[in-house]
Amino acid sequence: SQQGEEDPQALSIQEGENATMNCSYKTSINNLQWYRQNSGRGLVHLILIRSNEREKHSGRLRVTLDTSKKSSSLLITASRAADTASYFCATPQGGSEKLVFGKGTKLTVNP
Amino acid sequence: NAGVTQTPKFQVLKTGQSMTLQCAQDMNHNSMYWYRQDPGMGLRLIYYSASEGTTDKGEVPNGYNVSRLNKREFSLRLESAAPSQTSVYFCASRGGGSNQPQHFGDGTRLSIL
Repeated sequence: SQQGEEDPQALSIQEGENATMNCSYKTSINNLQWYRQNSGRGLVHLILIRSNEREKHSGRLRVTLDTSKKSSSLLITASRAADTASYFCATPQGGSEKLVFGKGTKLTVNP
Repeated sequence: NAGVTQTPKFQVLKTGQSMTLQCAQDMNHNSMYWYRQDPGMGLRLIYYSASEGTTDKGEVPNGYNVSRLNKREFSLRLESAAPSQTSVYFCASRGGGSNQPQHFGDGTRLSIL
């Protein structure tokens, strides 16, 4: 069953603009993770935010987590054509080994 | 440092044929996973192995078997391939607990005719 759901499904922006993607989930979590997938490649881990954290930064990435609303957002600032990819959120299912992925947001950054 | 290596990268099978997808990781991780990715469905967990010698079912295990051959290797077998198993298959590994990320291979693109 899907735990995280990303929104929007697709996003197209111009280089230099910011991109925001949202993720909603259903059950309590101990962390939420964001991954990027370039076309034809495997997923690459971007950032992990723990349930007791509200915001985390990594380079041009900013992730927020609102456990009261069961939602997270990924902001990519000053986007580049190389940021074109699909972005997935994922949460451990019941704190177990299982990581449940959303269906992803497909981001296109136009040069 | 290769990370997670999957072989083959591409394969075409006929319905009813069998096939084993190979996965190896060189990061000394305890946990390994097999996912399938279909258009519009995201990633779905087929099987996982929390440690050498153990395997457990994920969300979509029917039609598949797995073997955790040793700490490095985790294989996925299709005994009698069906067109519904046409997909991209990803192997992943993780060290430490659930607060650690998973590391993915580049996938095996499998078509079943």
